[in-house]
Amino acid sequence: AQKVTQAQTEISVVEKEDVTLDCVYETRDTTYYLFWYKQPPSGELVFLIRRNSFDEQNEISGRYSWNFQKSTSSFNFTITASQVVDSAVYFCALSFLGGNEKLTFGTGTRLTIIP
Amino acid sequence: DTGVSQDPRHKITKRGQNVTFRCDPISEHNRLYWYRQTLGQGPEFLTYFQNEAQLEKSRLLSDRFSAERPKGSFSTLEIQRTEQGDSAMYLCASSLLAGDSYEQYFGPGTRLTVT
Repeated sequence: AQKVTQAQTEISVVEKEDVTLDCVYETRDTTYYLFWYKQPPSGELVFLIRRNSFDEQNEISGRYSWNFQKSTSSFNFTITASQVVDSAVYFCALSFLGGNEKLTFGTGTRLTIIP
Repeated sequence: DTGVSQDPRHKITKRGQNVTFRCDPISEHNRLYWYRQTLGQGPEFLTYFQNEAQLEKSRLLSDRFSAERPKGSFSTLEIQRTEQGDSAMYLCASSLLAGDSYEQYFGPGTRLTVT
């Protein structure tokens, strides 16, 4: 069985602060994908990143960075110099690589950036 | 390239009525997924199609639920004899099974309220 845990239900930070969203996963599969999606108030899930289990390199995309550590089964997401537009619910998700790729989501972290 | 579209965006129905939702995936995407999201939770997988074949159904999909993708393009999700517990956001996603590309792109969802 697969499980994704996002222990932080809600986070509020002041604009321009850095913030890290935690994600811990469980799976018995040896090959899998990890994802982050953003769900703004409009409701549509927006894909942010996909990482496969073979690649533990950290990734940076502008103000966003991701830290994947298989040893701790974590895939954390950091936003640097946060902006009000970053306010949203963020979901971490997991899928088995090679099957139907259905996504198992965490419960999400609601991030509020205070101007 | 238009994204995934869903119709209607909102549906209010009385308990016991039947409802049908439509999803139009990104053209040329051969995989289509339905998820359900209740308030404060992450999306949960319901069912998945590869082309016109329905390859997996979650145990969440009771006998009152049926999904089709008749020509491998758009899909419909029907709920018969709706119950208040069916109130949720129904999300559709599509992806292209090609090479190493597995990202699922989500539509805006259909919010169902059963009174």
